[in-house]
Amino acid sequence: EAQVTQNPRYLITVTGKKLTVTCSQNMNHEYMSWYRQDPGLGLRQIYYSMNVEVTDKGDVPEGYKVSRKEKRNFPLILESPSPNQTSLYFCASSPQGLAQETQYFGPGTRLLVL
Amino acid sequence: AQKITQTQPGMFVQEKEAVTLDCTYDTSDPSYGLFWYKQPSSGEMIFLIYQGSYDQQNATEGRYSLNFQKARKSANLVISASQLGDSAMYFCAMREFRRGYSSASKIIFGSGTRLSIRP
Repeated sequence: EAQVTQNPRYLITVTGKKLTVTCSQNMNHEYMSWYRQDPGLGLRQIYYSMNVEVTDKGDVPEGYKVSRKEKRNFPLILESPSPNQTSLYFCASSPQGLAQETQYFGPGTRLLVL
Repeated sequence: AQKITQTQPGMFVQEKEAVTLDCTYDTSDPSYGLFWYKQPSSGEMIFLIYQGSYDQQNATEGRYSLNFQKARKSANLVISASQLGDSAMYFCAMREFRRGYSSASKIIFGSGTRLSIRP
């Protein structure tokens, strides 16, 4: 089954404790992206990647890191999480990153930073 | 700056009625795509419909249609004969080409409209 998977689905952590949210897709997509969703703000793009080793900032990259060492994986790293990073996070992918392509979303990761 | 605006935070509609969800956008790029996604209470993002900036006709997908008015920069979603299962959050999104890149694209979303269908 074609899908985007994220782990963990739910995470409670404390301020300053490094964490990684994994994202993997099995559709051989070139483009992958991370979003955070907050009430009243919709989804905001954190980082995106056009291909292996090619990443770029979205609208809200501060406090996040990403890497794209393999085409299928695009982990999101919070080196020192803070309470304002409490949010619902989505990973998404699309074939080539073209304007006409819809994205395939993962199920989401709910993060609570205490 | 690129922007998507959804001015209806919430809407209540009677079952079987048609409903229009508003979306306006702002971009200086001539090539872009407009999308609508549905997010039910379970949280997943479901793609509904797509409209390209060069498409001459409005997109339709079953009960969903997109009322695309390019000059007004609006891309409203129309749901005909609403059903209880249509109750969800709806997001309008725009995907455009990033300047200087032939295939890179940045994606922005509106703040969403929560649609509630009354039986």
